[in-house]
Amino acid sequence: DVQLVESGGGLVQSGMSLTLSCAASGFAFEDHVMHWVRQPPGKGLEWVSRIDWRSDTLVYADSVRGRFTISRDNAKRTLYLQMNSLRTEDTAFYYCASQANGDYSQNPIDSWGQGTLVTVSS
Amino acid sequence: SYDLTQPPSLSVSPGQTAIITCSGDKLGDKYAFWYQQKPGQSPVLVIYQDTKRPSGIPERFSASNSGNTATLTISGTQAMDEADYYCQAWHRGIAFFGTGTRVTVV
Repeated sequence: DVQLVESGGGLVQSGMSLTLSCAASGFAFEDHVMHWVRQPPGKGLEWVSRIDWRSDTLVYADSVRGRFTISRDNAKRTLYLQMNSLRTEDTAFYYCASQANGDYSQNPIDSWGQGTLVTVSS
Repeated sequence: SYDLTQPPSLSVSPGQTAIITCSGDKLGDKYAFWYQQKPGQSPVLVIYQDTKRPSGIPERFSASNSGNTATLTISGTQAMDEADYYCQAWHRGIAFFGTGTRVTVV
């Protein structure tokens, strides 16, 4: 079975940094595009970032570009999200999710982790 | 940016049909995806590439996408279908989610 397990969330002060990890198992991690999607408590989903299998293509939402960095280690089957200059509006559950390689606009984001909560205090 | 607008809420009686709309500029020119999210759980893909159901998703879930509107239809709605539903599409390399619709089965 596909498993995506996020970790690294917690309480942090505004302006500080935090790194999230997502451990993958049960599928060919190196054959998948990986995403981070976030959801403020009680609110809707917001896509954050994606990285292709070779780490050649990194794309970010406008709201995090320049502050967040996505990366992956295929040997460790792990996805990361380095979050710098955190703001209170970054408070959310952060989900990692997978998508089969190929045309990103056609393939579904079809597996999701359980999420990790990041709380940014002022 | 790319806005995808959904009605905030929808109430449906058990056994009836729930129709959830998702509106976006020329959405029909893109693929639409739909996700179901129950309280305290992660999103689950229920429709991809406008009309296709992943394995394990009941046949009562169907969808279409044309013009500026994508539509998710739940036929014979069951209590277990009570959840938030989000549409999603790609625009200029970035994924955008709809505002979400809470479906209540009463």
